[in-house]
Amino acid sequence: AQKVTQAQTEISVVEKEDVTLDCVYETRDTTYYLFWYKQPPSGELVFLIRRNSFDEQNEISGRYSWNFQKSTSSFNFTITASQVVDSAVYFCALSTGNQFYFGTGTSLTVIP
Amino acid sequence: AAGVIQSPRHLIKEKRETATLKCYPIPRHDTVYWYQQGPGQDPQFLISFYEKMQSDKGSIPDRFSAQQFSDYHSELNMSSLELGDSALYFCASSSRTSGSRFSDTQYFGPGTRLTVL
Repeated sequence: AQKVTQAQTEISVVEKEDVTLDCVYETRDTTYYLFWYKQPPSGELVFLIRRNSFDEQNEISGRYSWNFQKSTSSFNFTITASQVVDSAVYFCALSTGNQFYFGTGTSLTVIP
Repeated sequence: AAGVIQSPRHLIKEKRETATLKCYPIPRHDTVYWYQQGPGQDPQFLISFYEKMQSDKGSIPDRFSAQQFSDYHSELNMSSLELGDSALYFCASSSRTSGSRFSDTQYFGPGTRLTVL
């Protein structure tokens, strides 16, 4: 069975602090994809990143970085120098085919 | 770049009424997915279509049905609406890599917020 766990339900940080959102997944498939989506207060789901199971290279995009570790089945997301506009719910998702399995989301609040 | 279009954006219905949600995928995307997101919940997969055929089925109630048309747009039909159907309904689209069981990244529409009174 596939499962995504985001243990942090809510996180609050002060602007300019760094914050890491945790994601742990479970699957018996050897080929899979991992995703992060952002859902701002306006409600839409914004695609952030996709990573396949054979590529453990970490990725950095501006203030965002992702740390994929197969050994611990984790795909963590770090925001550096957080900004108020980063306030949103962030979902981690797993795909082993055509279905997505979402985590329960982490609500991030960045306090000015 | 063109995105997924959903209509209407907001819908208010009474209990036991019917509702139809529409989704227009990104051009050249062949797969459409429907999700239901209750308040404070993660999106729950309902159903998907690939090349106009039902591909996967999730937790879609029997009162709901969906189809994908020849122009690849999809409609989610909801009958005998219940208070618990109040939610944000997302459509997502992707393209399936030829010969692979995997689809490319799912891109989500802005959602339709359904309120059942």
